[in-house]
This record gives sequence, C-alpha cells and structure tokens, in this order.
Amino acid sequence: KQEVTQIPAALSVPEGENLVLNCSFTDSAIYNLQWFRQDPGKGLTSLLLIQSSQREQTSGRLNASLDKSSGRSTLYIAASQPGDSATYLCAVRREKDSNYQLIWGAGTKLIIKP
Amino acid sequence: DGGITQSPKYLFRKEGQNVTLSCEQNLNHDAMYWYRQDPGQGLRLIYYSQIVNDFQKGDIAEGYSVSREKKESFPLTVTSAQKNPTAFYLCASSISLLGLEQFFGPGTRLTVL
Repeated sequence: KQEVTQIPAALSVPEGENLVLNCSFTDSAIYNLQWFRQDPGKGLTSLLLIQSSQREQTSGRLNASLDKSSGRSTLYIAASQPGDSATYLCAVRREKDSNYQLIWGAGTKLIIKP
Repeated sequence: DGGITQSPKYLFRKEGQNVTLSCEQNLNHDAMYWYRQDPGQGLRLIYYSQIVNDFQKGDIAEGYSVSREKKESFPLTVTSAQKNPTAFYLCASSISLLGLEQFFGPGTRLTVL
C-alpha cells in the first residue's frame, strides 16, 4: 500500500532563506508526483508535476526533484518571501491500478517571517 | 473565467440531516473528484467520475452519495449515515481520468452542530 509522508509538519524560516521541503513515498511504482500549494481555507494550486521518468522540474524560484529508487522528492524554494507562506502538499499518482488515483501527504505548513 | 466553483463556502448540518455540496466546472473536463481534508491528514478520495452518468467509489465513500447528470456538475450529498462529517471538502476536475493535472475548487467547510 502506497503511503506518502511529509516531514516536517511545520517549518518557520526568515525571509530570504533558501529552503527544502521533503516528501517520501513507500512504493516506487509511481506514474508521477505533484506538488501543490494551499492557502488557509482555500483550494489547492498545482505547482510542479514530475513524471516518473524525470529527475526534476523547475518553475521560477521553485525546483522539484524526484528520486524514485529512494522514494523521495524535494521541493526547493529559493529566496523565500512572506507570500510563500502556505501549506505545501505532495501527491503521488500510482501506476498499479487502472484509475491512477492520487495518494496524498499531510502537508508541510510553511511560515516565512518578514 | 474558466474554473471550478463550490458552494456554499460554509455549511452547518444538524444531526440526522442530509446536506448537498455543489461543484460546478466550466473547463469542459470529463473527470471530476470529491476529496475530504481533515487536519493533519492528507486528502482522501470520496468519489470520482470519469464521464457523465458514471461514478466510482473512492477510499472513503461510506455515508456519501454523488450524481453526474451533467458534465459540468458533480454534487456530493453527505448523508446522516456519515458519522463524522465535519471536514473541509474539495472538488477537483481534470481533462480525463488520466489527465496529468487536477484543478481544484475553493472548498466547502462542513460543520456538524
């Protein structure tokens, strides 16, 4: 059974720092992995999607990496800003069933202090 | 503007009541999904629909029901059989079940009084 874990559950850093959020999964047979952002009381916004054959994806100050063999993905945020404060979730799409459902981590709540 | 709308934003339910959460999309997506989000947990799939007049149970379907009579609409009913319904409910859609990206609505917070 695929399980997705995000550690730490919460992180607080000063503005301007580079930071890394972690996502681990137990079954390496994945179709892809996505990182999402959720603001308090709001829906989710997709940030980056990495296909199983890819090693990383970049969008602006965000870089996501994928290491299937070790069951890990990281989201790197460069030069953090207060507007980056949100909960970041990762989700794995499994390939072993025909419906390709997403399995979600519980998220990391990020606070960027001005 | 294309997107997904959910209503109401906040919903209060008394014990024994059924309530229906609305989800509408104008993205022309075939697939739609309902998730439940509880504090400290990942999203859990309640129901999903690949196409009009078809839907499948997710991991936690007990106490919930859905319909998909129109492509644009996928309402979720929380029945009295759902013993712990207080949660944040998210609706999503994608081009197809295999679509790479899911787009999410703003969510409905349901509270049982």
